[in-house]
Amino acid sequence: GENVEQHPSTLSVQEGDSAVIKCTYSDSASNYFPWYKQELGKGPQLIIDIRSNVGEKKDQRIAVTLNKTAKHFSLHITETQPEDSAVYFCAASPNDYKLSFGAGTTVTVRA
Amino acid sequence: GAVVSQHPSWVICKSGTSVKIECRSLDFQATTMFWYRQFPKQSLMLMATSNEGSKATYEQGVEKDKFLINHASLTLSTLTVTSAHPEDSSFYICSARDPTGGIIYGYTFGSGTRLTVV
Repeated sequence: GENVEQHPSTLSVQEGDSAVIKCTYSDSASNYFPWYKQELGKGPQLIIDIRSNVGEKKDQRIAVTLNKTAKHFSLHITETQPEDSAVYFCAASPNDYKLSFGAGTTVTVRA
Repeated sequence: GAVVSQHPSWVICKSGTSVKIECRSLDFQATTMFWYRQFPKQSLMLMATSNEGSKATYEQGVEKDKFLINHASLTLSTLTVTSAHPEDSSFYICSARDPTGGIIYGYTFGSGTRLTVV
């Protein structure tokens, strides 16, 4: 099955700085890579996703890059704000629709 | 956008009793729903895939007789934790995919259910 590794496990950044989270996956059949933000006591919320036919996608302050050859993808958050503090999960999915999640990154934005 | 509603948001039950958690797709029909379990400060672990009108598919190591899943309609899946014990205490989350939303693999998650067994 798919194995997704995520780094770092914790990340502390100064407000206004950028945050980068990296994930690697093992199954070359995976073709969908979403990123989720989870706040304490709540379910994950999709913040951005990318499919394997695209190398980069951007949505305002959030961007995701995908390197299929190296089987890794990254989340970039620019101009971080205190409300960006949360746990972020990457995930990968092959054609059977199951999502395999990374271990999560706790992001803390210092004011 | 697609909305998934999950109830209850939290429940406390006595050891040995059963608890039912509901997951509803509010504005779309979901032939497939997914149930996850999440321990504190850990990732989401897929427990089972719920299929409308047929038996659920359980992941390895998940007891099907303990975690009963029923997907009787295109908008409702339920997870029943039977004979609950303290080790079943966890955060349970469901998700569903709207196949008509224009996003091929758009999974939406419910808000989760915090189960505490005392």
